[in-house]
Amino acid sequence: DTAVSQTPKYLVTQMGNDKSIKCEQNLGHDTMYWYKQDSKKFLKIMFSYNNKELIINETVPNRFSPKSPDKAHLNLHINSLELGDSAVYFCASSPWPIHTDTQYFGPGTRLTVL
Amino acid sequence: GQQLNQSPQSMFIQEGEDVSMNCTSSSIFNTWLWYKQDPGEGPVLLIALYKAGELTSNGRLTAQFGITRKDSFLNISASIPSDVGIYFCAGLRSQGAQKLVFGQGTRLTINP
Repeated sequence: DTAVSQTPKYLVTQMGNDKSIKCEQNLGHDTMYWYKQDSKKFLKIMFSYNNKELIINETVPNRFSPKSPDKAHLNLHINSLELGDSAVYFCASSPWPIHTDTQYFGPGTRLTVL
Repeated sequence: GQQLNQSPQSMFIQEGEDVSMNCTSSSIFNTWLWYKQDPGEGPVLLIALYKAGELTSNGRLTAQFGITRKDSFLNISASIPSDVGIYFCAGLRSQGAQKLVFGQGTRLTINP
């Protein structure tokens, strides 16, 4: 079974649309993250949730709204998509406090905004 | 914001050669990590370093945590085709919000 899974793998949509990306982890971790990887492969954290509570919000536009219905899920909803939102979005999870040797990344969701 | 400077940005080598890449920062980090990302996949942790001066190996990979806590390097010996990918360094501070700061990545290409 996949430890951290994301759906969909690919997402192609028009500017102005609203879309969601789902993430699930079956590792029993307390903390989940969203990262954005741009076209130059630069990885930057967006959000972090611990036990369903937001603990890191890296000055991400409020068009991005994470939602954690339970510890095992962290979804990312994006409103009014813009061209600059095109990127690969990675979900990750770890125990809390962060144990860096046990932070697992999902396979990524490639978002293309046309 | 915080950023790690990773170099080189890309490397083109022959199979069997050794590889060396490094990461520097103007800030101190308490943990240094090295990840590898294969095409279409998420980053996978290779080596974690927790103490200044620490030298750790994982098979043909060796990484060191710099004495100043502001740098780290990764060496790959006797490269093989499956070493192809993007290697990222990442740093973590113990103080404040626990988040990883990533370097820009080193893209490794191997000619057979």
